[in-house]
Amino acid sequence: DTAVSQTPKYLVTQMGNDKSIKCEQNLGHDTMYWYKQDSKKFLKIMFSYNNKELIINETVPNRFSPKSPDKAHLNLHINSLELGDSAVYFCASSHSEGLLGYTFGSGTRLTVV
Amino acid sequence: SQQGEEDPQALSIQEGENATMNCSYKTSINNLQWYRQNSGRGLVHLILIRSNEREKHSGRLRVTLDTSKKSSSLLITASRAADTASYFCASRPSNQFYFGTGTSLTVIP
Repeated sequence: DTAVSQTPKYLVTQMGNDKSIKCEQNLGHDTMYWYKQDSKKFLKIMFSYNNKELIINETVPNRFSPKSPDKAHLNLHINSLELGDSAVYFCASSHSEGLLGYTFGSGTRLTVV
Repeated sequence: SQQGEEDPQALSIQEGENATMNCSYKTSINNLQWYRQNSGRGLVHLILIRSNEREKHSGRLRVTLDTSKKSSSLLITASRAADTASYFCASRPSNQFYFGTGTSLTVIP
């Protein structure tokens, strides 16, 4: 059973389009995250949700909107995609503060053309 | 701003040798974790060390933490080809972990 699953794995789309990435975890964790990894492998936190409530919202364009229908799901919607949005997006989850570590999904490679 | 940085950026060794990677961070932390990322995959948690600990072992992994120097090291002993991956440290100054850019380790069979 996949612990943190995100779909799609690959996403190629044109500038200006709106797209969503879905994430689900079956670990019973209460906190979920979205990270963006750029071409230099730098991982930057975007959002964090605890029990469906937004607790971290780093400096991210408001074209990015997370949605958490329940504590097992955290989806990422991106409006008006730009070339600079091309990256690998990782979903992760943890118990509360993550002191036992984060569990990551396998990533969604987004390419904006 | 970026909290952690790994050094070196890339490391290539022969199978059987030891690999040492270093991580420096900027502000005081509560704990620090190391992760591995295989190509095209998500990060996998390896080990956590708390700020009041100086050394921790897990199998072939040894992690040290020097809070006075704001640095940590990850030692992989008797490396194997399967250890080829990128290794990241993640430090936690407050309510979240900040990751560095990773060390890319290549173990040559």
